[in-house]
Amino acid sequence: QKEVEQDPGPLSVPEGAIVSLNCTYSNSAFQYFMWYRQYSRKGPELLMYTYSSGNKEDGRFTAQVDKSSKYISLFIRDSQPSDSATYLCAMSGGDSSYKLIFGSGTRLLVRP
Amino acid sequence: NAGVTQTPKFRVLKTGQSMTLLCAQDMNHEYMYWYRQDPGMGLRLIHYSVGEGTTAKGEVPDGYNVSRLKKQNFLLGLESAAPSQTSVYFCATIRTPTNTGELFFGEGSRLTVL
Repeated sequence: QKEVEQDPGPLSVPEGAIVSLNCTYSNSAFQYFMWYRQYSRKGPELLMYTYSSGNKEDGRFTAQVDKSSKYISLFIRDSQPSDSATYLCAMSGGDSSYKLIFGSGTRLLVRP
Repeated sequence: NAGVTQTPKFRVLKTGQSMTLLCAQDMNHEYMYWYRQDPGMGLRLIHYSVGEGTTAKGEVPDGYNVSRLKKQNFLLGLESAAPSQTSVYFCATIRTPTNTGELFFGEGSRLTVL
């Protein structure tokens, strides 16, 4: 079993929809949780960062971490065609504090 | 500033050939990483370095070697390429892993092994 599980999608939504992206993990030592966005044929870029449990909001994006359930989420409000990309969750902590472990990525398509 | 630069961006190899991918960073970061990205597999760590002169194995190190002779450069070598090494390779750097967690990635190197 992978340390980090993420539904690969693709997820297709109409413009303006609320998008929910999720990851589950098995390593209870993870403390740092990140979401990266990757456009086609580009390297990933950091979108959101959260330490430990709780919520973090940045504009249209909200990241949630539930350590008790080993579950993290990224919500995108008022989705735009420019949000179409692959979203990768990543996490680190414990013995792997300097190694980010990535999910497989969810491909999102926002239709105009 | 260029950030993280990978060369070459594209390469086609025949089985058994060797090659080296170069990652150069101008951000004075200590930590450098080589990942490979395959469909459905996400990013998998090959090797990493926590400073000049150091290297360590990641999740999928077999068939690869690395060197970090200079702080700004991290080289990934394939001694005898195999079709299973067809992938997109990403180099990434981070100043210190335990603050914002922001890895800076290069644009990727697409390798095809025939």
